[in-house]
Amino acid sequence: DQQVKQNSPSLSVQEGRISILNCDYTNSMFDYFLWYKKYPAEGPTFLISISSIKDKNEDGRFTVFLNKSAKHLSLHIVPSQPGDSAVYFCAASAFGSGNTPLVFGKGTRLSVIA
Amino acid sequence: EADIYQTPRYLVIGTGKKITLECSQTMGHDKMYWYQQDPGMELHLIHYSYGVNSTEKGDLSSESTVSRIRTEHFPLTLESARPSHTSQYLCASSESGIGTYEQYFGPGTRLTVT
Repeated sequence: DQQVKQNSPSLSVQEGRISILNCDYTNSMFDYFLWYKKYPAEGPTFLISISSIKDKNEDGRFTVFLNKSAKHLSLHIVPSQPGDSAVYFCAASAFGSGNTPLVFGKGTRLSVIA
Repeated sequence: EADIYQTPRYLVIGTGKKITLECSQTMGHDKMYWYQQDPGMELHLIHYSYGVNSTEKGDLSSESTVSRIRTEHFPLTLESARPSHTSQYLCASSESGIGTYEQYFGPGTRLTVT
């Protein structure tokens, strides 16, 4: 049973527009959420994270929103650039309960079209 | 900048061979992890370690074994490779302590068993 779900396997966005990637989770014990970006033949690189005590975290062009009641988070990229084309993974962990391994979603492939 | 290395990057090997995938990090991180990822799928945790002489199995059952004799080194061994072991193997590490949850990934090893 998937605890972290990314229901859109792919997304295409025009350069300069907003990209919105979504993630849902089922485990109410998750208290920390991360987004990773992965290029082909490379390992994932950390993008941005958010603690469950917040509902928004911003870092440059990247903003993550967390809706705990809906068990939903989203990553906004504004403006989108061709170099943002990659697979984006949502991950979660229940750090507060002492369980630190991350649980990953299946990823969403973002294509930014020039 | 994360410094975590994996060798080999690509490996094609015949069924029944013993293989060891190497992972080293120079950041002094206590925690290290091995994930397995198939195309279009989530990263599955197969092994993790919270320090020297500490190893645990992850969520995904794996026929591989690991060892952690030195902080910086976390090799993964398959005693007898099978075609079902064909996958990408990703190594990661993270710091211990409160507020340090990001995992840093190596470039991965793409394993093909013929």
